[in-house]
Amino acid sequence: GENVEQHPSTLSVQEGDSAVIKCTYSDSASNYFPWYKQELGKRPQLIIDIRSNVGEKKDQRIAVTLNKTAKHFSLHITETQPEDSAVYFCAASKANSKLTFGKGITLSVRP
Amino acid sequence: DSGVTQTPKHLITATGQRVTLRCSPRSGDLSVYWYQQSLDQGLQFLIQYYNGEERAKGNILERFSAQQFPDLHSELNLSSLELGDSALYFCASSVEGSGGREQYFGPGTRLTVT
Repeated sequence: GENVEQHPSTLSVQEGDSAVIKCTYSDSASNYFPWYKQELGKRPQLIIDIRSNVGEKKDQRIAVTLNKTAKHFSLHITETQPEDSAVYFCAASKANSKLTFGKGITLSVRP
Repeated sequence: DSGVTQTPKHLITATGQRVTLRCSPRSGDLSVYWYQQSLDQGLQFLIQYYNGEERAKGNILERFSAQQFPDLHSELNLSSLELGDSALYFCASSVEGSGGREQYFGPGTRLTVT
C-alpha cells in the first residue's frame, strides 16, 4: 500500500521567514495530495491540495509543489506568522482509494 | 466550520464499557471516514463507508465496529474499552467514494477511558 513520509518532524522558523515542509510517497499511481493544518485539540483543516496533472498551486501565502518523478511534494509558507504554528499533515491517494496520511510536522513560528 | 458534526464532544468511561460515537456528514457527502488520533500521534485510518456500504478498512480493532445509516450519518461503536483506546476520534466526509476528493473533518470526540 501507499506509504507517506514527512520531513522534518519539527520545524522552527522566525516570524516573517519562509517554511518548507516536504513529503514523499511510494505509490506512483497516487494522484491527489492534500495538506491539512491541525491546531492543538482541533480538527484537521484542509488548507491546500494538488492533483497530479499540475506541478504547482498557490493560495495567498501558501503553495504546494509536486514532483511526480521523484515522488515528493512540498508545502511552502511565506511570510510566516505566529498563527501558522500548528501540526501539518500531508496525505496521498489514488483513484478509488483511501487517503494515507504522513505522521505530521510540528511547525513553530517564533515571534 | 466544516459542516461535519460529531457527538458527543467529550466522553469519559471506564474500562470494559461500550460507547457509540456519532457523525453526520456534510450535506451531499456520501462518504464517511473514521480516524483515531492518540496523543502526539498521527491520524490512523479506521474505516470508510460510502452510501451505506463499507468501502475500505484500515487498522480497526475487532472490538470496534461502524455503520452508516440510510440518512448517511455514521456511528462508531467501541466495546470492551481499554486504557489505550483513549484518543481523539475524528470522522471526515467527502462527496465521492474515491480517496481523491477533499475530505472535511468534524470537530472530533475526545474519549477518555479510566
